[in-house]
Order: sequence, then C-alpha cells, then structure tokens
Amino acid sequence: AQTVTQSQPEMSVQEAETVTLSCTYDTSENNYYLFWYKQPPSRQMILVIRQEAYKQQNATENRFSVNFQKAAKSFSLKISDSQLGDTAMYFCAFMKTGGATNKLIFGTGTLLAVQP
Amino acid sequence: DAGVIQSPRHEVTEMGQEVTLRCKPISGHNSLFWYRQTMMRGLELLIYFNNNVPIDDSGMPEDRFSAKMPNASFSTLKIQPSEPRDSAVYFCASRRLRDRGINTEAFFGQGTRLTVV
Repeated sequence: AQTVTQSQPEMSVQEAETVTLSCTYDTSENNYYLFWYKQPPSRQMILVIRQEAYKQQNATENRFSVNFQKAAKSFSLKISDSQLGDTAMYFCAFMKTGGATNKLIFGTGTLLAVQP
Repeated sequence: DAGVIQSPRHEVTEMGQEVTLRCKPISGHNSLFWYRQTMMRGLELLIYFNNNVPIDDSGMPEDRFSAKMPNASFSTLKIQPSEPRDSAVYFCASRRLRDRGINTEAFFGQGTRLTVV
C-alpha cells in the first residue's frame, strides 16, 4: 500500500522569505503522480502543483516549485517570496496512474504560517 | 464550470439520526472520491467511484456508512445511525480519468461540516 508522510506538522516563515515543506512517500509503483494541495482557512482544497513521476524535470508554478527525487521518494515544495495569503495547511498527495485504480492518498499536512 | 458542489455546507444532527451528504461532480468527470477530514486523522479516503462503480470502499469506517452513485452527476454518502465520533468535514472530489493520455488532478468541493450531538 502507498503511504505519504509529512514530518513537519507546523512551519513558520517571514513574509518575502523562502520556505520548503517536506514530503516522502512509499510505493512500489513506477508510474504515478504527486501533488501539493493548499487548504486555507476557508477549507477549500486548492491544487498548488503536480508532478508526473516519469518526468525528470521539476515542476514549477510561479513562486511554487518542487524538488522531486524519485529514487529517494521525496517530493518537497518550495515557496519563494512568501506572501500572507500563503498561510494555509499544505497537503502532499500521491496517485497511482494506469489501470482501474486511481486512489488519491494524502499526507497529514503541514500548517504554514506566513508572518508579516 | 461551477466546480464540485456539495450540500449541505453545514449539518447539525442528533445522535442516532440518519444523515445524507450530497455531491455533484464536475460535468465530464468520471471519477469521484469521498474524504473525511478530522484533526486526529487528517484526510481519509472513504470510497471512490470510477464511471459510477465503487472501486475501493476499504476506507469506509463501518456498516453505518454507505455511498451511492446512481448516475454520473450525483453521489450520496449516508450515515445511519449517526454518532458523535462521525463529526468531521466531509469532502467530495472529482476528476477525469485518463483520456488520450491526459491525467487530471482532483477538484474538491467546499466540504460539508457535520456535527453530531
């Protein structure tokens, strides 16, 4: 079974600084997707970024980028130039691709507070 | 597109009552997930459907929980009878299965906050 681990329950960063959130996962699959979702106080789940496992290039979306290390099964999220609106719970998620199963599994989340 | 629509947004009910949560996935999406979120256990996958067929319900906590997807545009999660420990936020999410090589992410509804007293 796949598992996703986020070892940082809470983190804090100053506005305009850079912060990295950690995520590791365990799987025997070779084809899968990894995601970072953001959940602000409104509780809406918002996709931040996604990475296809077959791609070696790290995904980037504006101020958000990932460091995907497939051999180490690591998928960290870097937020550059942090903004107050980045304050939220961040969830790392794994989804196997192919076949009939497409189970989306989440980690326990990291609560990020951006300080002014 | 209106996104994934869940109703009600909030539900308060007494222990022992039946509770039905509803979800309308995004049009064209053919995979639907039900999650439960609590402080203690985080986001738990309860059940998911592909093309209206339940694929994995191993996350359903017990027989009091049941889910149906009678058609591509509607799903329900029912708890009967409800208990205080069922209090949580329940999310529905949908996505489009692989189509011509394209995999899409899951889009979430705004959740239903259930309180059982």
